[in-house]
Amino acid sequence: NAGVTQTPKFRVLKTGQSMTLLCAQDMNHEYMYWYRQDPGMGLRLIHYSVGEGTTAKGEVPDGYNVSRLKKQNFLLGLESAAPSQTSVYFCASRTPGQGANDEQYFGPGTRLTVT
Amino acid sequence: GQSLEQPSEVTAVEGAIVQINCTYQTSGFYGLSWYQQHDGGAPTFLSYNALDGLEETGRFSSFLSRSDSYGYLLLQELQMKDSASYFCAVRALNTGFQKLVFGTGTRLLVSP
Repeated sequence: NAGVTQTPKFRVLKTGQSMTLLCAQDMNHEYMYWYRQDPGMGLRLIHYSVGEGTTAKGEVPDGYNVSRLKKQNFLLGLESAAPSQTSVYFCASRTPGQGANDEQYFGPGTRLTVT
Repeated sequence: GQSLEQPSEVTAVEGAIVQINCTYQTSGFYGLSWYQQHDGGAPTFLSYNALDGLEETGRFSSFLSRSDSYGYLLLQELQMKDSASYFCAVRALNTGFQKLVFGTGTRLLVSP
């Protein structure tokens, strides 16, 4: 049981290049999330998905697109990278509903630098 | 919308007790969570409070007062490995409680 994995771990892009970050989870979770974290700031939600084939915008969606073609995978795309997108990107997943445990499981992160 | 406030940094010595406060403003409240993040690592879940009162898990406890829109994380018998950032988070009403909104984090520095 690997939990939440992210590919790649590190990447350097030039301005204007495109790339896709892959998130995979093996816990059969319905909900998946993409966050970015900048120095001294909390986690800001980019996009999220509440099930296969669904996506929704978070707080900072501009410049990003996502797809959830399979339940276990959530892809984050940058069509034309900008230096402002230099950040650490975290994927997370959870099961829906209430309960004593409201845990979201995070992947190890992708450190992206745009020059 | 939602907003959460927590101190930016707290320092303490090994063996001490430290309390990290979190106040929130939200149009709807589901529960307050706490996450720990070591430098270079991913956030990991610590605790969750849906009801008023204290929840204890080993050296860590979390408290919630819904009437005061306030909670705190209490860390006892501090160890060097507790040096990390701690985030409070609430689930947002405006998406059917599907989204978790995080505070900006409190950096805890534990010294010998």
